[in-house]
Amino acid sequence: QVQLVQSGAEVKKPGASVKVSCKASGYTFDNYALHWVRQAPGQRLEWMGWIHAGNGGTAYGKNFQGRVTILRDTSASTSYMELRSLRSEDTAVYFCARARLRFGNPEYYLNYWGQGTLVTVSS
Amino acid sequence: EIVLTQSPATLSLSPGERATLSCRASQSVGGYLAWYQQKPGQAPRLLIYDASNRATGVPARFSGSGSGTDFTLTINSLVPEDFAVYYCQQGINSNSFGGGTKVEIK
Repeated sequence: QVQLVQSGAEVKKPGASVKVSCKASGYTFDNYALHWVRQAPGQRLEWMGWIHAGNGGTAYGKNFQGRVTILRDTSASTSYMELRSLRSEDTAVYFCARARLRFGNPEYYLNYWGQGTLVTVSS
Repeated sequence: EIVLTQSPATLSLSPGERATLSCRASQSVGGYLAWYQQKPGQAPRLLIYDASNRATGVPARFSGSGSGTDFTLTINSLVPEDFAVYYCQQGINSNSFGGGTKVEIK
């Protein structure tokens, strides 16, 4: 069965960076994309970006460009999301989620999700 | 950036009733709209994609309709596990989510 297992909770100081991992299993990693979405406490979901697991192509949300990098390691079937220059407003649960590819590009809708990783930014 | 506005913010209904949730886009998203259900402490669950297609395993009481800027998620005959928060998402221009509608027990 498809599973996305994320790394554990993190506590970071303002200005630091965080790197969250998402290990996929139960399917052929290269044949799909992975999106990253976050949710601040009591807030709406916020799309951060995606990575094409096959060719490594990426796209990022306007609110995160320049501050986020999404990577993948095909040998480990794992994607990583690195967010830099953290501030208190980045305190949120971060999710990875799988998307199919249509004509080589990631679909927008997400049918499998990781369990989420809480990142707390506090001095 | 396309803004999605969901209404109402909260819907108070009883089991067995029908829920009608609205999602309005600030500009046309064609049919590139999905709906998710989220329960406290859980990841979202895909219900509907491309405006009206039910995801695998989603009960038939969930249905989606609409195109362009106005979309509706209908839940026929609510059961206890349907009380949750529902989000819409567009994917025609980057990605964005609506603010959510909470369906609570009356």
